[in-house]
Amino acid sequence: AQSVTQPDIHITVSEGASLELRCNYSYGATPYLFWYVQSPGQGLQLLLKYFSGDTLVQGIKGFEAEFKRSQSSFNLRKPSVHWSDAAEYFCAVGTNQAGTALIFGKGTTLSVSS
Amino acid sequence: GAVVSQHPSRVICKSGTSVKIECRSLDFQATTMFWYRQFPKQSLMLMATSNEGSKATYEQGVEKDKFLINHASLTLSTLTVTSAHPEDSSFYICSAGSGGAAPGELFFGEGSRLTVL
Repeated sequence: AQSVTQPDIHITVSEGASLELRCNYSYGATPYLFWYVQSPGQGLQLLLKYFSGDTLVQGIKGFEAEFKRSQSSFNLRKPSVHWSDAAEYFCAVGTNQAGTALIFGKGTTLSVSS
Repeated sequence: GAVVSQHPSRVICKSGTSVKIECRSLDFQATTMFWYRQFPKQSLMLMATSNEGSKATYEQGVEKDKFLINHASLTLSTLTVTSAHPEDSSFYICSAGSGGAAPGELFFGEGSRLTVL
C-alpha cells in the first residue's frame, strides 16, 4: 500500500522569498503524485501532477515539483511566494490502476509574512 | 478536467437525524467513487470505496452502518450519515476517476460541510 509523509507541519516564508515543501512517498511501483492546495473552508485545488515522463512538473500559480525516484520525493517549489499563497498544502500518492484511492499526507500549513 | 459535483455544500442538522450527501460525476461515468473525511486542520482520510452496483468497501475503523454508501448509477454515489451526532461534524469530500489515459487520476468534489448540533 502507498503512503505519504510531509515532514513539515507548518512553514512560514517571507513574501517574495522562495518556497520548498517536502513530500516523501512510499510505493513499490511508479506512483502517481499530486499536490493540492486548500484554503480555509474550501475544497481542494489541484496544483500539479506527475504520472510519467519529465520529472520536473509545472503547475498552476507558478508552482513546480520535481519527482526524484532515488529519494522517493516529490517536493513542491515556488521561486517567489505571494501573500495569497498562504494555505494548506497536501501531497497525495496514487497508482496507475483505475479504482484505487489517493492517499494524502498530513499537510503543510504555509504562512506568508510581510 | 472532469467535473465532480457534491450537494449540499453545507448542511446543519440536529443530533439524531440522518443526512444524505450526493456526489455526481457530471461529464463522465465513474465505476468507482471514493469518500473522504476531513476534520478541522487535519488531512483527508479515506472512508470508503464506492463501487457501482455493489457494496462499498469501508476502511478500518469506519462504521458501515453509520455511513451508508449507495452507488446506484455510474454517475451518482450517495453518503448517508445516519443518526448523526456532533462528533460526525466534518468536511466530507468525494472523488471519482474517469479512467482513460490516466486511470489513476481522481477528480474531487467541492466538499460538503456537515455540522451536527
